[in-house]
Parts: sequence; C-alpha cells; structure tokens
Amino acid sequence: DAGITQSPRHKVTETGTPVTLRCHQTENHRYMYWYRQDPGHGLRLIHYSYGVKDTDKGEVSDGYSVSRSKTEDFLLTLESATSSQTSVYFCAIGGGFGYTFGSGTRLTVV
Amino acid sequence: AQSVTQLGSHVSVSEGALVLLRCNYSSSVPPYLFWYVQYPNQGLQLLLKYTSAATLVKGINGFEAEFKKSETSFHLTKPSAHMSDAAEYFCAVSDGAGNNRKLIWGLGTSLAVNP
Repeated sequence: DAGITQSPRHKVTETGTPVTLRCHQTENHRYMYWYRQDPGHGLRLIHYSYGVKDTDKGEVSDGYSVSRSKTEDFLLTLESATSSQTSVYFCAIGGGFGYTFGSGTRLTVV
Repeated sequence: AQSVTQLGSHVSVSEGALVLLRCNYSSSVPPYLFWYVQYPNQGLQLLLKYTSAATLVKGINGFEAEFKKSETSFHLTKPSAHMSDAAEYFCAVSDGAGNNRKLIWGLGTSLAVNP
C-alpha cells in the first residue's frame, strides 16, 4: 500500500469541541482528499487539496475546514463538533488513475 | 458531468455461486472506471480499473469487469463466491487520467455470502 496514515484511528469527542484529524502521506502526491462515509450515503467529498496551501470545497464542506502547510500533511478540522458529524472519515491521494485510501478515522460526537 | 449508479445496495449469494455487482455510468468523455472493495473496519482497496485498454479487466481475488460502452456499464463478476468476498463494493468513474481529475463514486453495494 501507498504510505498514507490517518490519526487518530478512533476518537470520541463532545458536542461543541474542536477536533482535528490528520492525514499523512509519504508518496509526495499533489492531490489529497477528505471523505466521510455514512450508511446509505456512500463516500461524500468534504474538501480536497491540489497543492500546498491550495484547497477547495467538496459537496459537504459546511462545518469543516482544512489546511495543508506541507505536501505530506492534510488536516481536517471540525470547528465545533456536532452529532451529525459522527462518521467514518477517510483520507485519499490520487487522481484520474485512481485513489489510494487511508485506513480511516472513526469519530463519535456525543 | 459524470455519475455512477450501482444497482442494488445489498446483494446476497451462496458460497460457490456467481457474483454479479452492477454499475452503470454517465460520462461525456471516455471514462476511466474503477471498482474498489472495503472489508469491515478497513479503508477502500482497488480491485480493478479500466483505462481504455482491454474492455475485459481482471483484478485481484478472481474478480473481473467488462466495459460495455453501448450499455454504459462496468459490471463486476466473480465465477464462484467465497466467504471472504463479503464486503462493500464501490464503483467509481473519472473523466480522465490527469492528476486533477476527481473520482465520482457510486453509493456502494454490500455483498453477503451465505454458507
């Protein structure tokens, strides 16, 4: 597998607290993505990045922000977590030839 | 714009039976097509991909898929299901090979294999 690691793997947080999820890649890939996966909704794109400090919104970006200060790291922040953000979050790298995914972060907001 | 439809959110087969997971796509340009598999509590792994070469694509674990332009389909098959094939399967389409191309995803099909 390509070198993509997500941290933490599991997290429980309280409503209203900020949360940051980290995606780290060792492939020097320009494009990185954050998805959330929920039953019945498949994969939904939250934000993506096409280079250092270059990011854009996906289809479900409300309540989320991202940052990419280095090629290898793409951070996803929930500014004030809500129960609707309980989900499994996946990071991916790639482009038209396909993506490689991290193992995911299971986030529970209580 | 590209789109993907996976027919059947849940498919159940008996061990040893044929597996057929359906995927239809919409694309205004020649597509690149993908099947990914997700085992429980894991990330998605690439099963196979079509990138405009042979229309019959073979992937890992005995799976294959055939690109049919006239039917805008890319169905996934395996002749004989194994218990270990139980997983979620996702079809995806890209509108090109460039690094700036995003994948558009189907909603997934959950495959159950009964003993």
